[in-house]
Amino acid sequence: GENVEQHPSTLSVQEGDSAVIKCTYSDSASNYFPWYKQELGKRPQLIIDIRSNVGEKKDQRIAVTLNKTAKHFSLHITETQPEDSAVYFCAATPAGTALIFGKGTTLSVSS
Amino acid sequence: NAGVTQTPKFQVLKTGQSMTLQCAQDMNHNSMYWYRQDPGMGLRLIYYSASEGTTDKGEVPNGYNVSRLNKREFSLRLESAAPSQTSVYFCASSEVGQGNGELFFGEGSRLTVL
Repeated sequence: GENVEQHPSTLSVQEGDSAVIKCTYSDSASNYFPWYKQELGKRPQLIIDIRSNVGEKKDQRIAVTLNKTAKHFSLHITETQPEDSAVYFCAATPAGTALIFGKGTTLSVSS
Repeated sequence: NAGVTQTPKFQVLKTGQSMTLQCAQDMNHNSMYWYRQDPGMGLRLIYYSASEGTTDKGEVPNGYNVSRLNKREFSLRLESAAPSQTSVYFCASSEVGQGNGELFFGEGSRLTVL
């Protein structure tokens, strides 16, 4: 089945710096790659997603890139702010099953 | 709209007891999911229902059963709870099948098995 690996597990940056989280997946049939943000004690919420026919997508300070050949995708957050502190999950939808998540990255932004 | 509603929010069980987690959505979504979240393990898919009348196993189905009661409701049952099932359980729904679109999560149900 699909295996989604996410790195790093923790990431600490200074306010204003950029943050990058990377994920790899194993099922070449996967075609949808969302990113979810989960604040402490809250439910996960979608922040950005990308489909396999697109290489990059941006939404203000957040961008996601996808390399289907290498089977990896990344989340980029620029000009980080304290409110970006949260756990971020990547995910992939392989053939024949539902969304499979990575183990998460805890991002801490210090001011 | 309430979105996705889970009950109960907290539950403590003894080993061997049974219980059912209830989930309902009011967004007319076709697909519904149950995930469990454990520290350092991310969100793991237990079962999902791509449409009313169908259910399929996910990554960690052992020890659980599900029922898609109707389009709105998807319940998760623990027949004989074990300490390894201590976790936070999230129900989710999506308009597009099999998670190929945004998942809307409930607030979660924290279960402790002693």
